[in-house]
Amino acid sequence: AQKVTQAQTEISVVEKEDVTLDCVYETRDTTYYLFWYKQPPSGELVFLIRRNSFDEQNEISGRYSWNFQKSTSSFNFTITASQVVDSAVYFCALSPYPGGGADGLTFGKGTHLIIQP
Amino acid sequence: EPEVTQTPSHQVTQMGQEVILRCVPISNHLYFYWYRQILGQKVEFLVSFYNNEISEKSEIFDDQFSVERPDGSNFTLKIRSTKLEDSAMYFCASSVGTSGRNEQFFGPGTRLTVL
Repeated sequence: AQKVTQAQTEISVVEKEDVTLDCVYETRDTTYYLFWYKQPPSGELVFLIRRNSFDEQNEISGRYSWNFQKSTSSFNFTITASQVVDSAVYFCALSPYPGGGADGLTFGKGTHLIIQP
Repeated sequence: EPEVTQTPSHQVTQMGQEVILRCVPISNHLYFYWYRQILGQKVEFLVSFYNNEISEKSEIFDDQFSVERPDGSNFTLKIRSTKLEDSAMYFCASSVGTSGRNEQFFGPGTRLTVL
């Protein structure tokens, strides 16, 4: 069985602060894929990143960076110099397949990030 | 840029009524999904659909639910005899495949309110 845990229910920071969203996963699969999605107040789910279990290199995309550590089963997401537009619920997800597979994605409960001006 | 669309954006219905939620996946995609998100909770997988049949379904997807691809573009989720606990946001998603670099693209969701 797969499980994704996002222990932080809500985080509130002041604009321009750095913030890290934690994601811990459980899976018996040797090959798996981790995802992050953003859900802004408008409600849609926006794909941010996918990482496979064989690639432990950290990834940076602008102000976003992801730290994948297989040893601790974690895939944390850091926003540098946060902005008000980053305010959203962020979901971490897991799947044995890069496209989600027939069983779909297993999501965590999400972290509500509030960026205060 | 192609996108998944869903209609209606918000549906209000009375308990016991049937509802049909509609989705138009991205045109060259082959795999279709429905997910549910009860307010304030995580997104949960309901069902996947490929080659005109259900591939997998979760425990949530009981006999009350059905999916259909009635034509070449629409993908529908039918909920028979809705219950209060069916109130949720329902997301449709599609992907080209399940391997390679084919991530799932999500639609904007339909908020279902059962009164």
